[in-house]
Amino acid sequence: DIQMTQSPSSLSASVGDRVIVTCRASQSIANYLNWYQQKPGKAPKLLIYYASTLPSGVPSRFSGSGSGTDFSLTISSLQPEDFATYHCQQTYSAPYTFGQGTKLEIK
Amino acid sequence: EVQLVESGGGWIQPGRSLRLSCAASGFTFDDYAIHWVRQAPGKGLEWVAGISRNSVSIGYADSVKGRFTISRDNAKNSLYLEIDSLRTEDTALYYCAKGVGTYYDSKGPMDVWGRGTTVSVSS
Repeated sequence: DIQMTQSPSSLSASVGDRVIVTCRASQSIANYLNWYQQKPGKAPKLLIYYASTLPSGVPSRFSGSGSGTDFSLTISSLQPEDFATYHCQQTYSAPYTFGQGTKLEIK
Repeated sequence: EVQLVESGGGWIQPGRSLRLSCAASGFTFDDYAIHWVRQAPGKGLEWVAGISRNSVSIGYADSVKGRFTISRDNAKNSLYLEIDSLRTEDTALYYCAKGVGTYYDSKGPMDVWGRGTTVSVSS
């Protein structure tokens, strides 16, 4: 199985900050990397797919990059509604494994 | 509105069986693969199983292979997860999630999620 490692596991930041979350795969997954946002008590929401594509309706302050084994999620200017947990997931090869999650908290 | 609604969870003793359901609406159900993903309390997400649009292709996580059975009834726009020999480590919130392709292993993301149904396994 492909292992996904996210860092950091938690992060404190302020509104307006630029934040980067990274995700590393244990083997190359091309660009089959997705990011999900999950707020407390809610289902995950697809944020970015194929490493860098934003679904309709996702604000442009979110961006993704990377290919192969190293990926990142960037939030250019944190908004209050962005405080949540972020999960990366590889869909290169089943079983589709997730990272352990990054909890983004208000400083 | 595209929607997935899970049901069937509850408290259950170890060793028993349980069947979860997921009702879909707002999209052409039999055009897409569907998945089950679970989240243990305070933990991350774990992909459990996926099924192609026509049930020909099915996959499971190693941790559940042999005990979990995913199935679907396209006439009823419904997805199911049969869980046998429940263990305490199966305690989790179980989500169904829609894939963007027709096969569960078509490499696409999961673009619609239900709100989940909770399974609690204890004696």
